[in-house]
Amino acid sequence: AQSVSQHNHHVILSEAASLELGCNYSYGGTVNLFWYVQYPGQHLQLLLKYFSGDPLVKGIKGFEAEFIKSKFSFNLRKPSVQWSDTAEYFCAPWRTDKLIFGTGTRLQVFP
Amino acid sequence: GAGVSQSPSNKVTEKGKDVELRCDPISGHTALYWYRQSLGQGLEFLIYFQGNSAPDKSGLPSDRFSAERTGGSVSTLTIQRTQQEDSAVYLCASSLMGDDTQYFGPGTRLTVL
Repeated sequence: AQSVSQHNHHVILSEAASLELGCNYSYGGTVNLFWYVQYPGQHLQLLLKYFSGDPLVKGIKGFEAEFIKSKFSFNLRKPSVQWSDTAEYFCAPWRTDKLIFGTGTRLQVFP
Repeated sequence: GAGVSQSPSNKVTEKGKDVELRCDPISGHTALYWYRQSLGQGLEFLIYFQGNSAPDKSGLPSDRFSAERTGGSVSTLTIQRTQQEDSAVYLCASSLMGDDTQYFGPGTRLTVL
């Protein structure tokens, strides 16, 4: 079955630590990829997206993600997290006119 | 400008009752989506409207769930004979035609007692 997998369900970091959240998908062919973020008490919002071209995509707030086609992966990274990055992060490939969301990764950053 | 709005923000109902959840998309957005967010389940696609085309209902979990979109704008998600497993946050999103970026509303938290 086609699916998306986020391996880390809950990540706890101290401020200034580096972050990498894994995302793997099982779709073949062309795929557009998104990361959405949900800060506590706020709406889901777009963090970054990949459609084509440079596989290293930069998003808001210093986040970036790398599309590796051979690994079917689209991992999210940030070199130095802040307390304000505490949120839930969702990877979502775009397939047949809709987003297929992963189960999400809850990130807690402690000062 | 105004974002996607949803009402009510919270709904508590008794098992077996029907509920209606409303979504007002961003003006001019032709695509509208409903998702369900359950604890530990992530976001589950329910239904998708695009312009005047027939909706994609492939994500609706049972025939107790239905949705309509009137005049290409406001949408209502109806759950008949609610069950406790229907308890979740129901999210609505909209997007422009040709743009894959979806803009989400705040959600409706449904609790079925």
